[in-house]
Amino acid sequence: EDKVVQSPLSLVVHEGDTVTLNCSYEVTNFRSLLWYKQEKKAPTFLFMLTSSGIEKKSGRLSSILDKKELFSILNITATQTGDSAIYLCAVAVKGGSQGNLIFGKGTKLSVKP
Amino acid sequence: DTGVSQNPRHKITKRGQNVTFRCDPISEHNRLYWYRQTLGQGPEFLTYFQNEAQLEKSRLLSDRFSAERPKGSFSTLEIQRTEQGDSAMYLCASSPGQGARNEQFFGPGTRLTVL
Repeated sequence: EDKVVQSPLSLVVHEGDTVTLNCSYEVTNFRSLLWYKQEKKAPTFLFMLTSSGIEKKSGRLSSILDKKELFSILNITATQTGDSAIYLCAVAVKGGSQGNLIFGKGTKLSVKP
Repeated sequence: DTGVSQNPRHKITKRGQNVTFRCDPISEHNRLYWYRQTLGQGPEFLTYFQNEAQLEKSRLLSDRFSAERPKGSFSTLEIQRTEQGDSAMYLCASSPGQGARNEQFFGPGTRLTVL
């Protein structure tokens, strides 16, 4: 059965710290891996990764994919209280319908002032 | 606002009642997805449309659930004879659907509480 596992499940840091969130996956017919940020509402898109070793960057956030070892990391540098959220990792699979994303349970990040 | 919209945002109902939710995707997106999310879990896939065709249903979608997208634009998700276990956030997402991109954009969700 396809699965996506995120770690840690929760994390508490102080403003200014750097954090690394992990996502590992076991799926057949991998297509892409996506990261979302979820506050008290719907997930908002951060990154989509399809190729190994190519870092995607947006401000203080960056992410990279390793398709050989089947994992991705999301880095956040110089964390701010506004980074507090649940970070979701999802994998899209190839297949007949190309329909759905398989989500992990998320990492709940709390950034203390 | 050109994002995905959902309504109602909140719904409280009594067990056994029927409820219907609506999703309006981003206008140029031909793929539309429904997910369910419970506390402490990531979203779980329910069903997916390419234009008006419903192409996939999860085993989570019991026969009490039905989804439609009659004109390939907005979609409705109906739950009949609601049960307390149906209480969850129901999320809708849309994507362009062309090529290899599967970047899904989510709406704000409908939070269902079944008493």
